Amino acid sequence: QKEVEQDPGPLSVPEGAIVSLNCTYSNSAFQYFMWYRQYSRKGPELLMYTYSSGNKEDGRFTAQVDKSSKYISLFIRDSQPSDSATYLCAMSAGGSYIPTFGRGTSLIVHP
Amino acid sequence: GAVVSQHPSWVICKSGTSVKIECRSLDFQATTMFWYRQFPKQSLMLMATSNEGSKATYEQGVEKDKFLINHASLTLSTLTVTSAHPEDSSFYICSARKRGRAEAFFGQGTRLTVV
Repeated sequence: QKEVEQDPGPLSVPEGAIVSLNCTYSNSAFQYFMWYRQYSRKGPELLMYTYSSGNKEDGRFTAQVDKSSKYISLFIRDSQPSDSATYLCAMSAGGSYIPTFGRGTSLIVHP
Repeated sequence: GAVVSQHPSWVICKSGTSVKIECRSLDFQATTMFWYRQFPKQSLMLMATSNEGSKATYEQGVEKDKFLINHASLTLSTLTVTSAHPEDSSFYICSARKRGRAEAFFGQGTRLTVV
């Protein structure tokens, strides 16, 4: 079992839909959780950063962390075609802070 | 803030030559920099972690004599692919993090093609 599991998709949704992206993990030492967006042939861009459990909202994006279930989510409201990209979850423990990445979910938002 | 610049964006080189890729944190001091390799439709593969002023720590299976990493200052790390071969062709990406912070910021990536 990989430390971080993420469904690669693709996930195809119509414009305006609410998108839910998820990752599960097995290492209970993870405390820091991140979501990145990566467009083709570009470096990943940090979207959301969360420490420990809870919710965090930034514009159309909401990140949720449930440490008891070892489950994190990213919600995108009012999705746009420009949101079409690969979304990577990442998490790390304290100390080294070396992030462990999921394999990424390909999202397609069609007009 | 938190901008990481990677240069060049793409490079083509002949087999047997060496290529240097630069990664700079433009508006923060990067105590740790990470180097990744990414194959098409694959996730990021961590190659090595470098801390300023220390030798890089390479992941298992990554040849440290082939992929030379230098982190000479708090704003600059370099990856040199020595004696490049066509199988080294890939997308290389760096990221950097600040002291005491978990989140890392990525450069734009470098597409290396060895012919």
